[in-house]
Amino acid sequence: DGGITQSPKYLFRKEGQNVTLSCEQNLNHDAMYWYRQDPGQGLRLIYYSQIVNDFQKGDIAEGYSVSREKKESFPLTVTSAQKNPTAFYLCASSRASLGDTQYFGPGTRLTVL
Amino acid sequence: AQRVTQPEKLLSVFKGAPVELKCNYSYSGSPELFWYVQYSRQRLQLLLRHISRESIKGFTADLNKGETSFHLKKPFAQEEDSAMYYCALSSGYSTLTFGKGTMLLVSP
Repeated sequence: DGGITQSPKYLFRKEGQNVTLSCEQNLNHDAMYWYRQDPGQGLRLIYYSQIVNDFQKGDIAEGYSVSREKKESFPLTVTSAQKNPTAFYLCASSRASLGDTQYFGPGTRLTVL
Repeated sequence: AQRVTQPEKLLSVFKGAPVELKCNYSYSGSPELFWYVQYSRQRLQLLLRHISRESIKGFTADLNKGETSFHLKKPFAQEEDSAMYYCALSSGYSTLTFGKGTMLLVSP
């Protein structure tokens, strides 16, 4: 393991609060991704970034925001606009090609109280 | 649009039995297909991808373009194979599209 880390492992939030999930990688990968994993839903793409200072919306971007100021970091903010934020969030990275093998972090479980 | 279908949510087999986890895809071009696996309390990781044509942990998967399938097979299941398996597809220029996953349970 290692290479791509996420923190914290567990996160609790009150309704109406924004919260930021951390994702860091030391694999020198250009591309980074955020997924949401719900039981019976598989992995759904929230945002992705192919290069620093650039990112694109995935399939379920509403209520989320990201930044990519450094190659190794891709934090995800879950805003109060996200209607159902309780979920398991996975970060991944890959080399330049979008179709390349993705390497995943250990995940962050967010619970809204 | 790309789509990946894994028809079984749960597959339960006995140790030593053959295993086949089904994956069907919808894509008009030449797809790149992957199987990812998530063992209990471990992170999601690549099991195999069709272009490398490898056999990993005894698993194989053949791309059948005629049937648009990429089923994962193993002749003799082991208890340590119990995990969640995800099939995924990429066009090579797009992000991965994942199926909803199949939980494999191998009983002694």
